[in-house]
Amino acid sequence: NAGVTQTPKFQVLKTGQSMTLQCAQDMNHNSMYWYRQDPGMGLRLIYYSASEGTTDKGEVPNGYNVSRLNKREFSLRLESAAPSQTSVYFCASSDSWGGQVDSGANVLTFGAGSRLTVL
Amino acid sequence: AQRVTQPEKLLSVFKGAPVELKCNYSYSGSPELFWYVQYSRQRLQLLLRHISRESIKGFTADLNKGETSFHLKKPFAQEEDSAMYYCALSGGAGNMLTFGGGTRLMVKP
Repeated sequence: NAGVTQTPKFQVLKTGQSMTLQCAQDMNHNSMYWYRQDPGMGLRLIYYSASEGTTDKGEVPNGYNVSRLNKREFSLRLESAAPSQTSVYFCASSDSWGGQVDSGANVLTFGAGSRLTVL
Repeated sequence: AQRVTQPEKLLSVFKGAPVELKCNYSYSGSPELFWYVQYSRQRLQLLLRHISRESIKGFTADLNKGETSFHLKKPFAQEEDSAMYYCALSGGAGNMLTFGGGTRLMVKP
Protein backbone atom coordinates (compact mmCIF):
# COMPACT_ATOMS: atom_id res chain seq x y z
CA ASN A 1 0.00 0.00 0.00
CA ALA A 2 1.24 3.46 -0.86
CA GLY A 3 -0.57 5.15 2.05
CA VAL A 4 -0.76 8.87 1.33
CA THR A 5 0.71 10.09 -1.93
CA GLN A 6 1.13 13.77 -2.70
CA THR A 7 2.46 15.50 -5.78
CA PRO A 8 4.55 17.35 -6.74
CA LYS A 9 7.44 16.90 -4.30
CA PHE A 10 9.00 20.22 -5.25
CA GLN A 11 7.67 23.30 -7.00
CA VAL A 12 8.94 26.80 -7.62
CA LEU A 13 6.41 29.47 -8.49
CA LYS A 14 6.50 33.15 -9.25
CA THR A 15 4.29 35.50 -7.28
CA GLY A 16 0.80 35.49 -8.72
CA GLN A 17 1.00 32.08 -10.36
CA SER A 18 -1.47 29.37 -9.47
CA MET A 19 -0.98 25.70 -8.78
CA THR A 20 -2.67 22.65 -7.29
CA LEU A 21 -1.17 20.16 -4.89
CA GLN A 22 -2.62 16.71 -5.30
CA CYS A 23 -3.16 14.16 -2.55
CA ALA A 24 -4.51 10.63 -2.66
CA GLN A 25 -4.86 7.94 -0.01
CA ASP A 26 -5.56 4.26 -0.46
CA MET A 27 -6.48 3.34 3.11
CA ASN A 28 -10.19 4.02 2.75
CA HIS A 29 -9.89 6.80 5.31
CA ASN A 30 -12.81 9.15 5.75
CA SER A 31 -10.95 12.29 6.81
CA MET A 32 -8.22 14.19 5.02
CA TYR A 33 -6.15 17.24 5.90
CA TRP A 34 -3.73 19.78 4.52
CA TYR A 35 -1.06 21.22 6.81
CA ARG A 36 1.80 23.60 6.25
CA GLN A 37 5.07 23.26 8.14
CA ASP A 38 7.14 26.33 8.89
CA PRO A 39 10.25 26.53 11.10
CA GLY A 40 9.38 27.16 14.73
CA MET A 41 5.66 27.15 14.03
CA GLY A 42 5.04 23.46 13.79
CA LEU A 43 2.27 22.17 11.60
CA ARG A 44 -0.71 24.41 11.04
CA LEU A 45 -3.94 23.14 9.61
CA ILE A 46 -5.00 24.84 6.39
CA TYR A 47 -8.16 22.93 5.47
CA TYR A 48 -9.67 19.61 6.29
CA SER A 49 -12.35 17.31 5.00
CA ALA A 50 -14.09 15.36 7.73
CA SER A 51 -15.79 13.12 5.18
CA GLU A 52 -16.37 12.88 1.46
CA GLY A 53 -18.37 15.85 0.29
CA THR A 54 -17.41 18.21 3.11
CA THR A 55 -14.56 20.67 3.57
CA ASP A 56 -13.84 23.17 6.33
CA LYS A 57 -11.32 25.84 7.12
CA GLY A 58 -8.52 25.19 9.53
CA GLU A 59 -6.23 27.63 11.29
CA VAL A 60 -4.65 29.30 8.23
CA PRO A 61 -7.01 29.02 5.22
CA ASN A 62 -6.43 32.41 3.59
CA GLY A 63 -5.04 32.17 0.07
CA TYR A 64 -6.00 28.53 -0.36
CA ASN A 65 -8.89 26.48 -1.66
CA VAL A 66 -9.52 22.77 -1.48
CA SER A 67 -11.53 20.12 -3.26
CA ARG A 68 -12.47 16.72 -1.94
CA LEU A 69 -12.80 15.10 -5.33
CA ASN A 70 -13.85 11.71 -3.96
CA LYS A 71 -13.06 9.62 -0.91
CA ARG A 72 -9.48 9.07 -2.05
CA GLU A 73 -8.44 12.50 -3.26
CA PHE A 74 -8.10 15.90 -1.61
CA SER A 75 -6.42 18.72 -3.52
CA LEU A 76 -5.09 22.08 -2.34
CA ARG A 77 -5.07 25.04 -4.70
CA LEU A 78 -3.18 28.29 -4.53
CA GLU A 79 -4.97 30.72 -6.81
CA SER A 80 -2.41 33.52 -6.68
CA ALA A 81 0.76 32.44 -4.93
CA ALA A 82 2.54 34.81 -2.52
CA PRO A 83 6.02 34.55 -0.99
CA SER A 84 4.35 34.02 2.42
CA GLN A 85 3.11 30.69 1.07
CA THR A 86 6.64 29.36 0.73
CA SER A 87 6.48 26.30 2.96
CA VAL A 88 6.41 22.55 3.13
CA TYR A 89 2.91 21.20 2.68
CA PHE A 90 1.72 17.93 4.11
CA CYS A 91 -1.38 15.99 3.28
CA ALA A 92 -2.67 13.56 5.88
CA SER A 93 -5.59 11.24 6.39
CA SER A 94 -7.28 9.49 9.28
CA ASP A 95 -9.93 6.91 9.78
CA SER A 96 -12.33 9.44 11.27
CA TRP A 97 -12.42 12.99 12.51
CA GLY A 98 -12.64 14.45 15.97
CA GLY A 99 -13.91 11.23 17.42
CA GLN A 100 -13.98 9.99 20.96
CA VAL A 101 -10.81 9.43 22.90
CA ASP A 102 -9.22 6.10 22.02
CA SER A 103 -10.69 6.11 18.55
CA GLY A 104 -8.59 6.30 15.42
CA ALA A 105 -9.72 9.84 14.82
CA ASN A 106 -6.51 11.62 15.53
CA VAL A 107 -4.03 9.02 14.36
CA LEU A 108 -2.89 10.68 11.17
CA THR A 109 -1.02 9.10 8.27
CA PHE A 110 1.08 11.68 6.47
CA GLY A 111 2.32 12.08 2.95
CA ALA A 112 5.97 12.74 2.17
CA GLY A 113 5.49 16.48 1.83
CA SER A 114 5.66 19.03 -0.98
CA ARG A 115 8.22 21.82 -0.80
CA LEU A 116 6.87 24.96 -2.40
CA THR A 117 8.91 28.08 -3.04
CA VAL A 118 7.27 31.29 -4.19
CA LEU A 119 9.64 33.89 -5.60
CA ALA B 1 -8.87 27.53 22.36
CA GLN B 2 -6.34 24.75 22.52
CA ARG B 3 -2.62 25.41 22.38
CA VAL B 4 0.54 23.30 22.53
CA THR B 5 3.91 24.72 23.53
CA GLN B 6 7.25 23.05 23.06
CA PRO B 7 9.70 25.45 24.69
CA GLU B 8 12.86 24.00 23.17
CA LYS B 9 13.47 24.33 19.45
CA LEU B 10 16.66 22.29 19.70
CA LEU B 11 17.83 19.75 22.24
CA SER B 12 21.31 18.29 21.95
CA VAL B 13 22.49 15.38 24.10
CA PHE B 14 25.19 12.76 24.03
CA LYS B 15 24.48 9.13 23.30
CA GLY B 16 23.50 7.32 26.49
CA ALA B 17 22.30 10.45 28.26
CA PRO B 18 18.69 10.82 29.42
CA VAL B 19 16.34 12.83 27.24
CA GLU B 20 13.26 14.84 28.11
CA LEU B 21 11.38 16.77 25.44
CA LYS B 22 8.98 19.18 27.05
CA CYS B 23 5.39 19.73 26.02
CA ASN B 24 2.87 21.96 27.75
CA TYR B 25 -0.70 22.40 26.67
CA SER B 26 -3.64 24.66 27.23
CA TYR B 27 -7.10 23.14 27.10
CA SER B 28 -10.00 23.37 29.49
CA GLY B 29 -11.45 19.91 28.99
CA SER B 30 -9.97 16.41 28.87
CA PRO B 31 -7.42 16.34 26.07
CA GLU B 32 -5.95 13.52 24.07
CA LEU B 33 -2.19 13.95 23.70
CA PHE B 34 0.19 12.58 21.09
CA TRP B 35 3.82 12.62 20.11
CA TYR B 36 4.63 12.54 16.40
CA VAL B 37 8.16 12.10 15.06
CA GLN B 38 9.84 12.91 11.75
CA TYR B 39 13.17 11.18 11.10
CA SER B 40 15.47 12.52 8.41
CA ARG B 41 14.06 11.82 4.94
CA GLN B 42 11.06 10.01 6.40
CA ARG B 43 7.45 10.91 6.83
CA LEU B 44 5.93 12.34 9.95
CA GLN B 45 4.52 9.44 11.95
CA LEU B 46 2.83 8.73 15.24
CA LEU B 47 5.26 7.82 18.01
CA LEU B 48 2.87 7.37 20.90
CA ARG B 49 -0.40 8.55 22.42
CA HIS B 50 -1.17 8.99 26.08
CA ILE B 51 -4.24 6.80 25.96
CA SER B 52 -2.12 3.78 25.03
CA ARG B 53 0.20 4.11 28.05
CA GLU B 54 2.91 2.22 26.25
CA SER B 55 6.63 2.61 25.62
CA ILE B 56 7.67 2.98 22.00
CA LYS B 57 11.36 2.76 21.05
CA GLY B 58 12.15 3.29 24.74
CA PHE B 59 10.16 6.53 24.90
CA THR B 60 7.42 7.15 27.42
CA ALA B 61 5.19 10.12 28.10
CA ASP B 62 2.90 10.71 31.03
CA LEU B 63 -0.02 13.08 30.95
CA ASN B 64 0.13 15.40 33.96
CA LYS B 65 -3.17 17.22 34.10
CA GLY B 66 -2.16 19.26 37.12
CA GLU B 67 0.85 20.71 35.32
CA THR B 68 -0.83 20.47 31.88
CA SER B 69 2.23 18.70 30.54
CA PHE B 70 3.01 15.68 28.39
CA HIS B 71 6.78 15.46 28.40
CA LEU B 72 8.51 12.77 26.32
CA LYS B 73 11.26 10.87 28.09
CA LYS B 74 13.88 8.27 27.34
CA PRO B 75 16.47 7.12 29.88
CA PHE B 76 19.30 6.47 27.40
CA ALA B 77 19.35 8.33 24.09
CA GLN B 78 20.54 6.62 20.92
CA GLU B 79 21.90 8.27 17.78
CA GLU B 80 18.95 6.95 15.80
CA ASP B 81 16.63 8.99 18.04
CA SER B 82 17.81 12.14 16.27
CA ALA B 83 14.68 13.59 14.68
CA MET B 84 12.06 16.30 14.83
CA TYR B 85 9.47 15.68 17.52
CA TYR B 86 6.03 17.24 17.63
CA CYS B 87 3.62 17.19 20.52
CA ALA B 88 -0.04 17.35 19.52
CA LEU B 89 -3.38 17.73 21.29
CA SER B 90 -6.95 16.99 20.48
CA GLY B 91 -9.88 18.13 22.52
CA GLY B 92 -11.90 15.13 21.40
CA ALA B 93 -15.11 15.05 19.43
CA GLY B 94 -15.34 17.90 16.98
CA ASN B 95 -11.82 19.10 17.64
CA MET B 96 -8.87 19.16 15.33
CA LEU B 97 -5.36 18.06 16.16
CA THR B 98 -3.22 21.02 17.22
CA PHE B 99 0.56 20.68 16.93
CA GLY B 100 3.30 22.35 18.89
CA GLY B 101 6.22 24.11 17.22
CA GLY B 102 8.43 21.03 17.35
CA THR B 103 11.75 20.17 19.00
CA ARG B 104 14.72 18.96 17.04
CA LEU B 105 16.59 16.31 19.01
CA MET B 106 20.24 15.75 18.15
CA VAL B 107 22.00 12.82 19.76
CA LYS B 108 25.76 13.12 19.47
CA PRO B 109 28.06 10.09 19.49
